[in-house]
Amino acid sequence: ETGVTQSPTHLIKTRGQQVTLRCSSQSGHNTVSWYQQALGQGPQFIFQYYREEENGRGNFPPRFSGLQFPNYSSELNVNALELDDSALYLCASSLVGTDTQYFGPGTRLTVL
Amino acid sequence: EDQVTQSPEALRLQEGESSSLNCSYTVSGLRGLFWYRQDPGKGPEFLFTLYSAGEEKEKERLKATLTKKESFLHITAPKPEDSATYLCAVQVVSGGYQKVTFGTGTKLQVIP
Repeated sequence: ETGVTQSPTHLIKTRGQQVTLRCSSQSGHNTVSWYQQALGQGPQFIFQYYREEENGRGNFPPRFSGLQFPNYSSELNVNALELDDSALYLCASSLVGTDTQYFGPGTRLTVL
Repeated sequence: EDQVTQSPEALRLQEGESSSLNCSYTVSGLRGLFWYRQDPGKGPEFLFTLYSAGEEKEKERLKATLTKKESFLHITAPKPEDSATYLCAVQVVSGGYQKVTFGTGTKLQVIP
């Protein structure tokens, strides 16, 4: 157990809809990263938040956005869903000054 | 662009048959290289962090090593419970921002 939780476990949406995924980090972990993992692929870095500010971003369009809250929780929002957004979405938390990331179990998003 | 290549894509071993997994990388400004284990339908589980060429880390039957261009994960006398996908990732810092790039993984199957 990493102490990182994600909700919901599974989610089905239709193309064009919006979705919000949630992550609760380990207590004291003030850095959170989000990843998209397509079937059979490695996780792709979406972005990282530190102290509620975006601290790094991968090659994802602006319709992928995030929020981080003072209570170590965070959200990933995806607007205008596309079929290719179907994937496992992972969040990972870490303590600033350390590089070890602890992953949650993920949210499986299916876009129909 | 940062690149991480893992080989082989899949590996099937008999129980007790030692082998190595490879992770080659091309990045600017490597901060750290990580190894994770991922079981089906779950988030990656942290194994090791390596920071500089020549560094080695061990945990049970696993040993990770790092050179300037690649890393190896050596598995000694594997057991069926070592079956999983092993992921390699590199972290870089550029312009004050952090970015993590994963490889596509090596799927290991250990047969009793």
